[in-house]
Amino acid sequence: GENVEQHPSTLSVQEGDSAVIKCTYSDSASNYFPWYKQELGKRPQLIIDIRSNVGEKKDQRIAVTLNKTAKHFSLHITETQPEDSAVYFCAAIFNSGGYQKVTFGTGTKLQVIP
Amino acid sequence: DGGITQSPKYLFRKEGQNVTLSCEQNLNHDAMYWYRQDPGQGLRLIYYSQIVNDFQKGDIAEGYSVSREKKESFPLTVTSAQKNPTAFYLCASSMASGGAVEQFFGPGTRLTVL
Repeated sequence: GENVEQHPSTLSVQEGDSAVIKCTYSDSASNYFPWYKQELGKRPQLIIDIRSNVGEKKDQRIAVTLNKTAKHFSLHITETQPEDSAVYFCAAIFNSGGYQKVTFGTGTKLQVIP
Repeated sequence: DGGITQSPKYLFRKEGQNVTLSCEQNLNHDAMYWYRQDPGQGLRLIYYSQIVNDFQKGDIAEGYSVSREKKESFPLTVTSAQKNPTAFYLCASSMASGGAVEQFFGPGTRLTVL
């Protein structure tokens, strides 16, 4: 099945600096790559996503890049703020026997230091 | 918030008991999912269902069972066969289409075995 690896597992940055989280996937059939943010004790919420026919997508301070050849995608957060502190999960969606299946990475705990 | 709900928020189980976690959505979504989240780990897929009266095992289905009798409901039963059930359980739903769909998560149920 699909395997998604996410790095780093923890990341500390100074407020105002940039943060980058990287994920690799194994199944070339995956065609949708969302990123979720989960604050402590709360549900994951989608912050940005990218489809396989796009190489980059940006939404204010957040951007995602996708390299289908290398099978990796990255989340970029610029001008980090304390409220960006959370756990971030990447995911890859692929089809298995006609059904869709989502595989998540193991998460990155981001700490933004004021 | 809203749209997809889970109950109860906290659940305590004695060893050897079966317990059922509720998940309801009013988003008219076809697909529903159950994930387990352990501290410091990502979301692992237990079961998923793309359509009423049909469901598929995920990566860690052993010791769990589900049903999908109605489109809006996807209850998860944690059986006594699940040896280490203490975890945070998340339900999600999405429109079922060609692989590029956002998942919406419920608020989660925290299950503790006494």
